Amino acid sequence: DSGVTQTPKHLITATGQRVTLRCSPRSGDLSVYWYQQSLDQGLQFLIQYYNGEERAKGNILERFSAQQFPDLHSELNLSSLELGDSALYFCASSESGISYNEQFFGPGTRLTVL
Amino acid sequence: AQSVTQPDIHITVSEGASLELRCNYSYGATPYLFWYVQSPGQGLQLLLKYFSGDTLVQGIKGFEAEFKRSQSSFNLRKPSVHWSDAAEYFCAGTRAAGNKLTFGGGTRVLVKP
Repeated sequence: DSGVTQTPKHLITATGQRVTLRCSPRSGDLSVYWYQQSLDQGLQFLIQYYNGEERAKGNILERFSAQQFPDLHSELNLSSLELGDSALYFCASSESGISYNEQFFGPGTRLTVL
Repeated sequence: AQSVTQPDIHITVSEGASLELRCNYSYGATPYLFWYVQSPGQGLQLLLKYFSGDTLVQGIKGFEAEFKRSQSSFNLRKPSVHWSDAAEYFCAGTRAAGNKLTFGGGTRVLVKP
């Protein structure tokens, strides 16, 4: 158990819908990262927040957005969902905002778009 | 562009045999390199990391990796695999003071009895 929690574990929805994925980092970690894992794209970095502020952006679509709240939990919002958004979404956390610090991964949220 | 490549998509190894997983990187300077393991239905767990210093790095679960600058490689090894090592292994890297990990495509390891 990494100490990072993600909810829900599974999510099934339809095209065009909007969903919110939630992540609680390990106690004391200030940085949260979101990754998408799909069969065709592999494991890709989406976005990073550090202590409430956006720190880095990767291959995140404009339809996707994220935020980190004062209690340090984070939410990833996916809107206008397409079939290709079906993937496993991981959240990771680390102590600081520098990514060579170890990142601890949550169990993931599996999103299925029908 | 910065990248991490794992040339082998699948590897099958017999239980008790040795295992070596390949990872090549492409960075302008010495990157920070990591190996993660993902068991079925699980998140990723860090096996080991290389920042600087000794080029042979010891990790958890009996794994080690060797950084070779001349070959731009960071291969993962285990002398004797156990059935529980069947999983997917990811090499990842980031540049110094970088703030995002770039992952390789992963290598799925199957362990034969």
